[in-house]
Amino acid sequence: GQSLEQPSEVTAVEGAIVQINCTYQTSGFYGLSWYQQHDGGAPTFLSYNALDGLEETGRFSSFLSRSDSYGYLLLQELQMKDSASYFCALNRGGKLIFGQGTELSVKP
Amino acid sequence: EPEVTQTPSHQVTQMGQEVILRCVPISNHLYFYWYRQILGQKVEFLVSFYNNEISEKSEIFDDQFSVERPDGSNFTLKIRSTKLEDSAMYFCASRRPGGETQYFGPGTRLLVL
Repeated sequence: GQSLEQPSEVTAVEGAIVQINCTYQTSGFYGLSWYQQHDGGAPTFLSYNALDGLEETGRFSSFLSRSDSYGYLLLQELQMKDSASYFCALNRGGKLIFGQGTELSVKP
Repeated sequence: EPEVTQTPSHQVTQMGQEVILRCVPISNHLYFYWYRQILGQKVEFLVSFYNNEISEKSEIFDDQFSVERPDGSNFTLKIRSTKLEDSAMYFCASRRPGGETQYFGPGTRLLVL
């Protein structure tokens, strides 16, 4: 089977940088995605890594190391509106297998 | 910007009743998915659908569940005889051919009493 581990919650201050880690176990996958979810709303796509390395999209970056079964999401210049849950998800032939999510609280 | 839409936003039903959740995927997308999220838990894959047939389904997607694309725009999830444990948020998602990103709808919150 597949499993993903993320910290359950992270707290940071406005303007700071925060890293949300994700470790996984799987027999194979196409890539690692990151989604943001506000208060049970629709998961919103943030970033995707098909290959090892860093992907940058504005204030958000994501990293994948297949050899370490590890990835992370980096959020820079944190804003209050970034307070949300963040999920890593394995792309397994189209279907997404989600982690439990990390609740990020941004404090002023 | 095109988006996935879902109706209804909320549905309350009695245990044993049938419910149909509706989704309109993004128009040029051909891969469709249903996920569910029990309150406070992670998002779980239910089923994927392509070319008018199920591509893959999870253990959750038992005989009480079915999906259909009744016309060129709608994608539905039917639960034949709802159970208390079916109470969850149900998300529809779609993906274009060759794309990696799944776009999620706003969800239907189902409450089974």
